[in-house]
Amino acid sequence: EPEVTQTPSHQVTQMGQEVILRCVPISNHLYFYWYRQILGQKVEFLVSFYNNEISEKSEIFDDQFSVERPDGSNFTLKIRSTKLEDSAMYFCASQLRVGRTGELFFGEGSRLTVL
Amino acid sequence: QQQVKQSPQSLIVQKGGISIINCAYENTAFDYFPWYQQFPGKGPALLIAIRPDVSEKKEGRFTISFNKSAKQFSLHIMDSQPGDSATYFCAASMGSNYQLIWGAGTKLIIKP
Repeated sequence: EPEVTQTPSHQVTQMGQEVILRCVPISNHLYFYWYRQILGQKVEFLVSFYNNEISEKSEIFDDQFSVERPDGSNFTLKIRSTKLEDSAMYFCASQLRVGRTGELFFGEGSRLTVL
Repeated sequence: QQQVKQSPQSLIVQKGGISIINCAYENTAFDYFPWYQQFPGKGPALLIAIRPDVSEKKEGRFTISFNKSAKQFSLHIMDSQPGDSATYFCAASMGSNYQLIWGAGTKLIIKP
């Protein structure tokens, strides 16, 4: 069964360092997302991406964050200068299409720990 | 108005019993209501979803009941099994709006 894969599974970084989280969405999907989940809390939307551009972003997705689909298969989330409060599980998701039958498929997540 | 409120926070049910998780929303523009199941160390996985044009949707042991006038929807798990032990999230979104608004989650434990 096709799946969304994410790397790394866990990354520990120092505050102020740059982090890149990588995702390989399902190959024929067109819509891509990043969500995050702070430990024990709700899942929060960060950004959606379609046709090589951001289609929507939340208030959390400030100038420290950026996304890219550099090669047609990978979808990356970059955090330029990490803060303690960026510690969370980051989930990538992909979707074949939006609308009535557009199921979101999630990866297993990348746990980011900022010290 | 963008919130989805989910209850209870945690739930313990005996094997074979019915598990019920409730969600409420304010924004009447929401038109897609999925439930996600998440096992420890895994990403959320879509369990079942409903649109507001129906009041109930059933898939196997899982049923969503939807009350449009009350702006509430609930997940019922019949004949609950230990393998159903997981965290369940309700969510909502608006039409072509891509963003899913999530409930806070319910940690369900099914006791053998």
